[in-house]
Amino acid sequence: DAKTTQPPSMDCAEGRAANLPCNHSTISGNEYVYWYRQIHSQGPQYIIHGLKNNETNEMASLIITEDRKSSTLILPHATLRDTAVYYCIVRVQNQGGKLIFGQGTELSVKP
Amino acid sequence: GAGVSQSPSNKVTEKGKDVELRCDPISGHTALYWYRQRLGQGLEFLIYFQGNSAPDKSGLPSDRFSAERTGESVSTLTIQRTQQEDSAVYLCASSLYGQAGDTQYFGPGTRLTVL
Repeated sequence: DAKTTQPPSMDCAEGRAANLPCNHSTISGNEYVYWYRQIHSQGPQYIIHGLKNNETNEMASLIITEDRKSSTLILPHATLRDTAVYYCIVRVQNQGGKLIFGQGTELSVKP
Repeated sequence: GAGVSQSPSNKVTEKGKDVELRCDPISGHTALYWYRQRLGQGLEFLIYFQGNSAPDKSGLPSDRFSAERTGESVSTLTIQRTQQEDSAVYLCASSLYGQAGDTQYFGPGTRLTVL
């Protein structure tokens, strides 16, 4: 299974962009990169996913390097409500698409 | 439409008792997943149902754990003879087709405490 590596914690000032990195150097060509977040005591919330191209939605942007070995999740204007654990996940093919969670990055947005 | 729902939201039980946890997936979703999250840890995959196919049980930690799903609707996770190490939040997710490009949506979880 492809593994991901994320920093255990990050701080971000409210209103600034939060850039969360993820390394996935063993990713296969047809595996997707997914980002979820988990706010304390809640179930994980889907944020965004991508295969090769950069993606943007109303929550965030996902930048995937050309070699696909790393990616960055960007929250353009972080708010206090974005404080959460952010998980970068490579979606396993041919195994029903189960998600394999690592330890994630604990993002603290500070006023 | 409604999201994934789980019941109960909290369950406290005594060691050795059996418990049943319920998950109602999003209507029309053919794939259903169960995960476990111990305090301060990431999620661990337990079991996956896809349509009428045999479930993927590769994540179940012991034979005390089992799960059933009725058609493409509700699922029940059963833990027999509970142990203290079973204390965790049990999360259910569903997705439309169960494929890699298919988003999983999570329920709020059931917090299980085994005394």
